[in-house]
Amino acid sequence: DAGITQSPRHKVTETGTPVTLRCHQTENHRYMYWYRQDPGHGLRLIHYSYGVKDTDKGEVSDGYSVSRSKTEDFLLTLESATSSQTSVYFCAISEVYGELFFGEGSRLTVL
Amino acid sequence: DQQVKQNSPSLSVQEGRISILNCDYTNSMFDYFLWYKKYPAEGPTFLISISSIKDKNEDGRFTVFLNKSAKHLSLHIVPSQPGDSAVYFCAASAQSSSSNTGKLIFGQGTTLQVKP
Repeated sequence: DAGITQSPRHKVTETGTPVTLRCHQTENHRYMYWYRQDPGHGLRLIHYSYGVKDTDKGEVSDGYSVSRSKTEDFLLTLESATSSQTSVYFCAISEVYGELFFGEGSRLTVL
Repeated sequence: DQQVKQNSPSLSVQEGRISILNCDYTNSMFDYFLWYKKYPAEGPTFLISISSIKDKNEDGRFTVFLNKSAKHLSLHIVPSQPGDSAVYFCAASAQSSSSNTGKLIFGQGTTLQVKP
């Protein structure tokens, strides 16, 4: 299994509070991604990174920001959580021209 | 604007029979396609892939077919087993694009149930 750790695995928070999800990899892969999974929508790309300090937006980036200060860590931040951001969030890593390897997911509930 | 579509939310088959999961795409720049399997409370795991230069790729019980003219791919599982019960996602990427960053675009998923 690819070495990907997501934290926290479960979080319940209130509307308007900031939330940060962390993805840590031990594979030294260049590319890292954050997806969210929702019923009827499958997996949708939020943001991705193609190197340290190099990030770009995905399909559903509004309300989210990311940072990557080290190769191994990719942080996803919800500056002010809303109920529509209740979801399961998956981090993934890859080298280009290959498949993505996913973490186990972080379930976020915004009340 | 869903670039990758799985129009069947669910599929139920009998153990030992064939399971066929379908996927359609709209972006003609896509040239690499993958299938992922996901069990509850776990992350998706890679199953099989196919490049656009091929029309078939086989790995054990799993075969992926690609019809470029129809922008359609399918996953065949033969014979189906109860352990295959999971959500299956198809995904696509444009690897030959100069802006390729490896990102995948996923379909909505199909829940497969294989009955004993």
